[in-house]
Amino acid sequence: EAQVTQNPRYLITVTGKKLTVTCSQNMNHEYMSWYRQDPGLGLRQIYYSMNVEVTDKGDVPEGYKVSRKEKRNFPLILESPSPNQTSLYFCASTPVWPQKNTEAFFGQGTRLTVV
Amino acid sequence: AQTVTQSQPEMSVQEAETVTLSCTYDTSENNYYLFWYKQPPSRQMILVIRQEAYKQQNATENRFSVNFQKAAKSFSLKISDSQLGDTAMYFCAFMKHVTPSNFGNEKLTFGTGTRLTIIP
Repeated sequence: EAQVTQNPRYLITVTGKKLTVTCSQNMNHEYMSWYRQDPGLGLRQIYYSMNVEVTDKGDVPEGYKVSRKEKRNFPLILESPSPNQTSLYFCASTPVWPQKNTEAFFGQGTRLTVV
Repeated sequence: AQTVTQSQPEMSVQEAETVTLSCTYDTSENNYYLFWYKQPPSRQMILVIRQEAYKQQNATENRFSVNFQKAAKSFSLKISDSQLGDTAMYFCAFMKHVTPSNFGNEKLTFGTGTRLTIIP
């Protein structure tokens, strides 16, 4: 079954304690992306990756890091989490041209609370 | 840069009735995709319907259809015979069509969402 798997689903942590949210896809997609969802703001892109070892900032990258050492994995790293990073996070993967019927496949979401 | 606007933060409708969710967008791109995503209480993001901008025919998926007005940059979602399971947050989203000639970020630009409640 084609899927994007995020872990953990829920996480409560304290300010400053490094954490990693994992994301893995089994569809051999080149493009992967992280979004955060906040009330009244919709989903906003944090970082994206167009292939292995190719990553770039999205619209709200401050306080986050990513890596893409393998095609299937795209972890999101918060080196020193702060309360303003409390949010719902989604990983997504997308097939690139020349594949038709482009759509983004989303993970189940990670609810992060930083206290 | 693209923007997507959903002007209805909340809507409610009686079960079995028809409801239309509004979405407008702004872009200088000529070739792109538009999407409606559903987010039920489980928080999962579920694709409801997709429209390719070069196609004039409006997309339909069972009880879901869109009214795509490219010149007006409008992309509304109509839900017919609404069901209790349609209760969810609905997001409109834009993605530019990426090809080798304009290779780049395939990000989705989302609206702020419309919370739809179906009343029994």
